Amino acid sequence: DQQVKQNSPSLSVQEGRISILNCDYTNSMFDYFLWYKKYPAEGPTFLISISSIKDKNEDGRFTVFLNKSAKHLSLHIVPSQPGDSAVYFCAAKQAGTALIFGKGTTLSVSS
Amino acid sequence: DAGVIQSPRHEVTEMGQEVTLRCKPISGHDYLFWYRQTMMRGLELLIYFNNNVPIDDSGMPEDRFSAKMPNASFSTLKIQPSEPRDSAVYFCASTRSDRQIYGYTFGSGTRLTVV
Repeated sequence: DQQVKQNSPSLSVQEGRISILNCDYTNSMFDYFLWYKKYPAEGPTFLISISSIKDKNEDGRFTVFLNKSAKHLSLHIVPSQPGDSAVYFCAAKQAGTALIFGKGTTLSVSS
Repeated sequence: DAGVIQSPRHEVTEMGQEVTLRCKPISGHDYLFWYRQTMMRGLELLIYFNNNVPIDDSGMPEDRFSAKMPNASFSTLKIQPSEPRDSAVYFCASTRSDRQIYGYTFGSGTRLTVV
């Protein structure tokens, strides 16, 4: 049973517009949530994280929103650029455990 | 910092053969993780170590899989005998205990094909 779910396998966006990637989770004990980006033939790289005590964290063009009551988080990329085209993984952890990842969402940004 | 180093990058083997994947974590990192990526299951945790000791191996598919960490700078994941359904990309990752909230550093992965 998946504890971290990314229900959209793919997303296509035009350059300059906003990309919104979504993630749902089932375990209320998760205390940190992270987003990773992965290019082909490379390992995933850390993008941004958020603690469960916050509802928003921003880093440049990337913002993560957390809605604990809905057990939902989202990653906003504004403005989207062609170089953002990659697979995005949502991940979560609770104290004393390893990161649990979703299946990923492939983002395609067209110019 | 050379990052997490995995070898080989690609491995093609015949069903029934033994396969050994290798990982060198970042110096000073005390956690090491093995993940497997497939289309069906995404990135799934196989096993992780803390200070060279296996902490959670509940993700290891079956007895055909084994992992070792004989020292702080080296880990292996072995599959014996290999089967076609083991075909996947295997990632190793490492982190420091005081920096886990900043995520793990992943290697480039080993693409395993079992024919």
